[in-house]
Amino acid sequence: TQTVSQSDAHVTVFEGDSVELRCNYSYGGSIYLSWYIQHHGRGLQFLLKYYSGNPVVQGVNGFEAEFSKSDSSFHLRKASVHWSDSAVYFCAVSLDTNAYKVIFGKGTHLHVLP
Amino acid sequence: DMKVTQMPRYLIKRMGENVLLECGQDMSHETMYWYRQDPGLGLQLIYISYDVDSNSEGDIPKGYRVSRKKREHFSLILDSAKTNQTSVYFCASSPGSAETLYFGSGTRLTVL
Repeated sequence: TQTVSQSDAHVTVFEGDSVELRCNYSYGGSIYLSWYIQHHGRGLQFLLKYYSGNPVVQGVNGFEAEFSKSDSSFHLRKASVHWSDSAVYFCAVSLDTNAYKVIFGKGTHLHVLP
Repeated sequence: DMKVTQMPRYLIKRMGENVLLECGQDMSHETMYWYRQDPGLGLQLIYISYDVDSNSEGDIPKGYRVSRKKREHFSLILDSAKTNQTSVYFCASSPGSAETLYFGSGTRLTVL
């Protein structure tokens, strides 16, 4: 069974701070990992994804994520957040045995204070 | 234009009524999805469509059915809606396996 967990329901930082949003998964095989962002009242938008190669992947708007097989993690980071980064962030996984099936975590609500 | 369009944006129905949620995409994507989003639960997968008339149950298909007669349209049907089907429903499309999902803006369904 594939599961994905986002341990923090809410994260609050000040504008200009760095932030890390955590994502862990449980699966022993090869896995596709991605992050999506959802602004209030909108649909989800793709940020970045990883399957193989360089474990650090760059996404849009200065976001990056790092895959760690030993920690079963794919944490999302940004060096300096802007108020417009306030949104809900979802980690998503799918397996190479059925990569069509995309399962989302419960999301982390990032609050950026001025 | 790379767009997924969902209609309607808001819908109120009474328990026992039939509900039709429609989704269209203009990217000729093979794969389409229906998810529902509830507070604290994230997105839950209802159905996947691999192409016209090729659909597969997701994790919570009970109480729902789907129809895909054209590649660009994917409908979600609730026969005799229940109050616990009150939710925000999202449609998404993708070029194929392990590819990026493109989401619509959602339909907020309230079943009274």
